[in-house]
Amino acid sequence: NAGVTQTPKFRVLKTGQSMTLLCAQDMNHEYMYWYRQDPGMGLRLIHYSVGEGTTAKGEVPDGYNVSRLKKQNFLLGLESAAPSQTSVYFCASSQTVYNEQFFGPGTRLTVL
Amino acid sequence: GDSVTQMEGPVTLSEEAFLTINCTYTATGYPSLFWYVQYPGEGLQLLLKATKADDKGSNKGFEATYRKETTSFHLEKGSVQVSDSAVYFCALSDQGDYKLSFGAGTTVTVRA
Repeated sequence: NAGVTQTPKFRVLKTGQSMTLLCAQDMNHEYMYWYRQDPGMGLRLIHYSVGEGTTAKGEVPDGYNVSRLKKQNFLLGLESAAPSQTSVYFCASSQTVYNEQFFGPGTRLTVL
Repeated sequence: GDSVTQMEGPVTLSEEAFLTINCTYTATGYPSLFWYVQYPGEGLQLLLKATKADDKGSNKGFEATYRKETTSFHLEKGSVQVSDSAVYFCALSDQGDYKLSFGAGTTVTVRA
C-alpha cells in the first residue's frame, strides 16, 4: 500500500515550458486535491476533484489545469510556466470531505 | 472567509523542554480543526484532530483542545525530543467545505 505518490520529485523548467505533475493514490479515495506550498503562506488549494471525471477550482487556480480521468489519478498541468509558479506542490486524497487528507511527498518545481 | 493564524517561528528548544504552538482561527460555521506535521523532505501527516468544541486531540505525546470561546487550538507537548523537529501546520475544515485552510506553519527545531 503506497498511499499517495507523486511524479516527478524535482523539476526545473524554463519560462514558457509546459509540464504535467502526476498524482496517484491506491486507497480508493473519492476526493483528491492539489496544493502549493510557499514560504510563510502555508498550503493553498489549487484545484480539487470530488470524483472521477470531476474537477473544481480552489483558491489559486490561475495558470493551472487538472484532469481526473481515472479515480486513482489526478494530473496537474502547467501550460506555460512562469517564475511565480516556483513552489512545492503537494497532492492529497481523502475518502470523504470530513475525513483526514493523506498527502504525497511533494514535487519541488523551479521555473527559471 | 475562513482563516488560520499560528505563531511565527522558528522555534528552537532543548530536548525535554515544553512546547506550545499557538493557533487561532476564524470560521463561519462549526469547523473541524487539525494539526499536521511535516518532517524534513516529506509530505504532511495528520498529527491530531478535533471535530467539536471541548474535544481534545492527542497523538505521540502532543495534545490540542478545541476552544470555541477563544477560537483556539493550541498544540502542546510536555517533553520534546530531537525527532520532533519538523514544521507544524494548524488547519481547519469548515462545514461542507472541501478544502483545508492552513496556517503558515511553525518550524520547530529541538537540540540535543
